[in-house]
Amino acid sequence: DTGVSQNPRHKITKRGQNVTFRCDPISEHNRLYWYRQTLGQGPEFLTYFQNEAQLEKSRLLSDRFSAERPKGSFSTLEIQRTEQGDSAMYLCASSSSLLEGETQYFGPGTRLLVL
Amino acid sequence: QKEVEQDPGPLSVPEGAIVSLNCTYSNSAFQYFMWYRQYSRKGPELLMYTYSSGNKEDGRFTAQVDKSSKYISLFIRDSQPSDSATYLCAMDTGNQFYFGTGTSLTVIP
Repeated sequence: DTGVSQNPRHKITKRGQNVTFRCDPISEHNRLYWYRQTLGQGPEFLTYFQNEAQLEKSRLLSDRFSAERPKGSFSTLEIQRTEQGDSAMYLCASSSSLLEGETQYFGPGTRLLVL
Repeated sequence: QKEVEQDPGPLSVPEGAIVSLNCTYSNSAFQYFMWYRQYSRKGPELLMYTYSSGNKEDGRFTAQVDKSSKYISLFIRDSQPSDSATYLCAMDTGNQFYFGTGTSLTVIP
């Protein structure tokens, strides 16, 4: 399977705990995006990387959220001191800036439930 | 005002019907326009993308963009029960994607 993969697919945690999600993009894609999606809403942009550089962050990304892409391949999204409002689907997408249209391809998402 | 407006539905149609899904937008900087299909508890799957006004056809799907009216549409011909999903429109400024809220579609056999 050469698509975008995300792990874990599901995560249940208690309020106040830290969680980390991983995204492996399509191998030839240099851009990687993180989104959050809640029920009945479209994905909301959180941040994106071009290679290992984090180029843009949404104001939705509070200081409890941090994302890394250390070698320009896979990325991690960490949420510290989780809150119940963090419960959502976290989606990763990748694209190539070299291709016209730069269409994003999404992974299956990580569903987070904070109790 | 949201960047992208999309009627959330839900929309319910009989099998074989023509479905019309629509989005409006306010930002003239949007360059590319996409439609994604999302099944329950799955990530969005790209259906179609276009970058100019006019129509683009792919099988039973037709994407239509009217930049002068800031309006895009997705038409599904001969709808099938397997088309039942949430359809998201998305638009790209070059740096950031903006998604509509999604329209929930059910095709009844």
